[in-house]
Amino acid sequence: QVQLQESGPGLVKPSETLSLTCAVSGHSFSAGHYWGWIRQPPGKGLEWIGQIYHTGSTHYNSALKSRVTMSVDTSKNQFSLKLNSVTAADTAMYFCVRRIRDGFTPFDFWGQGILVTVSS
Amino acid sequence: QSVLTQPPSVSGAPGQRVTISCAGSSSNIGAGYDVHWYQQFPGSAPKVLISVNTNRPSGVPDRFSGSTSGTSASLAITGLQAEDEADYHCQSYDSSLSGWVFGGGTKLTVL
Repeated sequence: QVQLQESGPGLVKPSETLSLTCAVSGHSFSAGHYWGWIRQPPGKGLEWIGQIYHTGSTHYNSALKSRVTMSVDTSKNQFSLKLNSVTAADTAMYFCVRRIRDGFTPFDFWGQGILVTVSS
Repeated sequence: QSVLTQPPSVSGAPGQRVTISCAGSSSNIGAGYDVHWYQQFPGSAPKVLISVNTNRPSGVPDRFSGSTSGTSASLAITGLQAEDEADYHCQSYDSSLSGWVFGGGTKLTVL
């Protein structure tokens, strides 16, 4: 059974960089799946941030593209998110997710989420 | 503002049928991109409820069903039960934005 676990600071100061890592267990990085991030501000809906393939190929939300960087470390079975120049609007629960690489499939596995607050 | 539009809340009595709408446009649902529905309980991550418009993953009761028509999609829940009280999110792909989009979520209250 695939398990995803987010980790990182729960508090980030405005204008700084939010950095999160997702550890994947029960599945090795290989062809066939995309790995990504989705966030949910308190009391609001879901927002797709982006995804990465095991080769390092990325696809970002156009609204966040200028501030987002994703990377993958296949040797450690983990992938990461960096979001720079954060503001209070970036306060949200951040989920790491998996999606099967076959058309427009759903996000079938989710981490439990990590709450990141942007505040001085 | 979410790209897909859902009602903020719906409610129904136990045993009743409720539907949750998801309105899109010609660049997402109307373009034929698959619609997926997720169920989310407070404090938990969303979970796939309906995939590819109408498919129920293993373990999802057949009380839940999905449909699409034109630029919209709907989730129907029959025989409403107290345990169905949760938030429901629709999701699709948008070709204009070149990315995955969600509705704002609908809170279902079982009266």
